[in-house]
Amino acid sequence: AQKVTQAQTEISVVEKEDVTLDCVYETRDTTYYLFWYKQPPSGELVFLIRRNSFDEQNEISGRYSWNFQKSTSSFNFTITASQVVDSAVYFCALLADSGGYQKVTFGTGTKLQVIP
Amino acid sequence: DTGVSQNPRHKITKRGQNVTFRCDPISEHNRLYWYRQTLGQGPEFLTYFQNEAQLEKSRLLSDRFSAERPKGSFSTLEIQRTEQGDSAMYLCASSLQPGATTDEKLLFGSGTQLSVL
Repeated sequence: AQKVTQAQTEISVVEKEDVTLDCVYETRDTTYYLFWYKQPPSGELVFLIRRNSFDEQNEISGRYSWNFQKSTSSFNFTITASQVVDSAVYFCALLADSGGYQKVTFGTGTKLQVIP
Repeated sequence: DTGVSQNPRHKITKRGQNVTFRCDPISEHNRLYWYRQTLGQGPEFLTYFQNEAQLEKSRLLSDRFSAERPKGSFSTLEIQRTEQGDSAMYLCASSLQPGATTDEKLLFGSGTQLSVL
């Protein structure tokens, strides 16, 4: 079985603060893929990043950075100098084998509110 | 390619009616997924296709739900005898088979919002 846990239901920060969104996953697969998506109030799921299990290199993209640690099964997402436009629900997801087939499992999401 | 396209964007129906949604994936993508999302929840997996083959169906998918992907192109999701509990956003996503490229993305459409009265 595979599972994604986003323990933080809701986070509020003041603009320009840094914020980290936590994601912990479970899978028995040795090859798997991790994703982060942003869902603004408009409702569309916007792809942010995909990380392969065999690539533990951390990644930075502008104000966004991701910390992948296989030892703790975590794939955390940090927004530096947050902005009001970052307000959204953020989902972590896992693509892994499930009984011979692959499917994507989502966490329950973290709602981020950036206060001006 | 303009991305994953879903229609209609909104559907209002009366309980007991049948509804059908359509998803047009990115043309070169061989995988297509259907998800359902209710307010305040993450997307829940329903089913997925590899080309025209439906490889897995969630236990969430009752006998009233059926999905097809003829010729491995667009897909349809039909709900028969709709119930109020079916009200949700139905999301479609597509990708290449994972591992084909390290840049692969799972891209979502805008969804179809179903309201069953």
